Amino acid sequence: TQLLEQSPQFLSIQEGENLTVYCNSSSVFSSLQWYRQEPGEGPVLLVTVVTGGEVKKLKRLTFQFGDARKDSSLHITAAQPGDTGLYLCAGARAGNMLTFGGGTRLMVKP
Amino acid sequence: GAGVSQTPSNKVTEKGKYVELRCDPISGHTALYWYRQSLGQGPEFLIYFQGTGAADDSGLPNDRFFAVRPEGSVSTLKIQRTERGDSAVYLCASSRTGTGGNIGELFFGEGSRLTVL
Repeated sequence: TQLLEQSPQFLSIQEGENLTVYCNSSSVFSSLQWYRQEPGEGPVLLVTVVTGGEVKKLKRLTFQFGDARKDSSLHITAAQPGDTGLYLCAGARAGNMLTFGGGTRLMVKP
Repeated sequence: GAGVSQTPSNKVTEKGKYVELRCDPISGHTALYWYRQSLGQGPEFLIYFQGTGAADDSGLPNDRFFAVRPEGSVSTLKIQRTERGDSAVYLCASSRTGTGGNIGELFFGEGSRLTVL
């Protein structure tokens, strides 16, 4: 059982559609990060959220941290083929250990 | 180099052999992490170093796995008596922060793909 559950695991959509990816846990995190990973490469940080209820926007991506700091969501507006990749949420707790979710594999078709 | 460097990029070995995977972090980064990623899954935490010491090794699956960072820079992940189930991509990451406060950005290498036949 993963500490962080991501849903959906797979998502295939057409260019221009909107989507939301969810990251849920029963544990409280001091901060939560979202990474994006492409084949053959390591994950790359997109954002860090720290405060419960925090919302951060990065161009067409909107990240939200739950009020209780147990869950998070990533919303992409008007998805583009360049958004294709594996999206990973990762929660940080005491001791600076970062725990990753299972990932959401997104494919955006032109 | 500017980023985290991992060698070898690919390693094929036979069951029962010994393997070493090397990670060269970004200069000045005190924190270093090892993760293991199986196909289609998220990275699984193995061990975290703060400087030369292993601050958390709770993710190492058993005593066949061991990691060192003797001078607080380069780290080596060592796997003894490899098994087919050890096949995965081993990712190394480094970061500036590592003590208290909020975790900083982890910079990942491209990984070492280990295949145990």
